[in-house]
Amino acid sequence: ETGVTQTPRHLVMGMTNKKSLKCEQHLGHNAMYWYKQSAKKPLELMFVYSLEERVENNSVPSRFSPECPNSSHLFLHLHTLQPEDSALYLCASSQDPAGVWGYTFGSGTRLTVV
Amino acid sequence: AQKVTQAQTEISVVEKEDVTLDCVYETRDTTYYLFWYKQPPSGELVFLIRRNSFDEQNEISGRYSWNFQKSTSSFNFTITASQVVDSAVYFCALSPNAGNMLTFGGGTRLMVKP
Repeated sequence: ETGVTQTPRHLVMGMTNKKSLKCEQHLGHNAMYWYKQSAKKPLELMFVYSLEERVENNSVPSRFSPECPNSSHLFLHLHTLQPEDSALYLCASSQDPAGVWGYTFGSGTRLTVV
Repeated sequence: AQKVTQAQTEISVVEKEDVTLDCVYETRDTTYYLFWYKQPPSGELVFLIRRNSFDEQNEISGRYSWNFQKSTSSFNFTITASQVVDSAVYFCALSPNAGNMLTFGGGTRLMVKP
């Protein structure tokens, strides 16, 4: 266990479904992140939250909607996804947004869009 | 802008061989941090090492060693006497000391065969 917990571990959803990914950390970290990892592609930063405020959104399609209700929890709400959105979605946390001390990652949610 | 290049996409070795994973980075910052992460089949990225740009001393941790060469902008990772459990994807990453986010390389998949 890394201290960052993601649920569910696996998710299969249809293109018309709405689902949410959950990430939880109790490390006392102040920043949380969503990354997308597709086959044969580098890790793509999707969203960054620092002290519960969104700091960066790297032009992610609006069908992905993040939510950070407190410093320990991060959600990624999904709706009307496309098959190309199938990927491993990784959550991470760090003591500071620059990640100077490194990131702690969860095990990811393997998402399949059918 | 920052960039991290891991030119080796896949490496296959036989157990007990030594293997070096290359990492070359680009940054305009004078102060920055370099990292290596391991991603086993379970999915989570596991932090291995953090090195700041002012510390060029090489580091050894058990079978792992890291060679930081600022003159060539490289931060290579060597596994001595590789084991099957070392099979994973390894990521090199860069964090500038300017509040920007962690930038990952494309990763190197290491396969250690018995």
